Amino acid sequence: DQQVKQNSPSLSVQEGRISILNCDYTNSMFDYFLWYKKYPAEGPTFLISISSIKDKNEDGRFTVFLNKSAKHLSLHIVPSQPGDSAVYFCAASAVYTGNQFYFGTGTSLTVIP
Amino acid sequence: EAEVAQSPRYKITEKSQAVAFWCDPISGHATLYWYRQILGQGPELLVQFQDESVVDDSQLPKDRFSAERLKGVDSTLKIQPAELGDSAMYLCASSLAVSEAFFGQGTRLTVV
Repeated sequence: DQQVKQNSPSLSVQEGRISILNCDYTNSMFDYFLWYKKYPAEGPTFLISISSIKDKNEDGRFTVFLNKSAKHLSLHIVPSQPGDSAVYFCAASAVYTGNQFYFGTGTSLTVIP
Repeated sequence: EAEVAQSPRYKITEKSQAVAFWCDPISGHATLYWYRQILGQGPELLVQFQDESVVDDSQLPKDRFSAERLKGVDSTLKIQPAELGDSAMYLCASSLAVSEAFFGQGTRLTVV
């Protein structure tokens, strides 16, 4: 049973515009939500995380928003750059599972120059 | 900058052969994870260690896969015998807390 879902397999955005990647989850016990970026043939790179007690976290061009009532989070990238083209994975973790991390299926972002 | 080391980066093996992957986590990270990622899917947990103890190996196909972390530091994942369906990216990650986990570069396994 997929506890973390990314329903958009792909997204294309013009350079300089905003990219919004979405993620839904089913388990209200998750403590943290994370975003990873992955290039082909490489391991995922940690981007940004947010605690379940917060609703926004910002780091440079990346902002993550959490809506607990909707069990939904999103990653905003502003402005988008061609180097941002990659697969983005949403993940969630919980202390009660022994710090296990659950991943979505990923969204492939293409930033068009 | 501290990072998770994995080797080899790429491995091609014939089916029915044995293959092994190695991972050295970030120093001080007690939790180590092995994930498998198939193209188009997200990473799926195979096994999780806390120090040298297995926390979760419920998704590890134990008839052919084994994992160990003998001294609670580096870890080895083995497949014997390899099958065509094992072709995937094998990722190692380590963590100090529930708020973050760091991945290595992965091993791309191709079984022919």
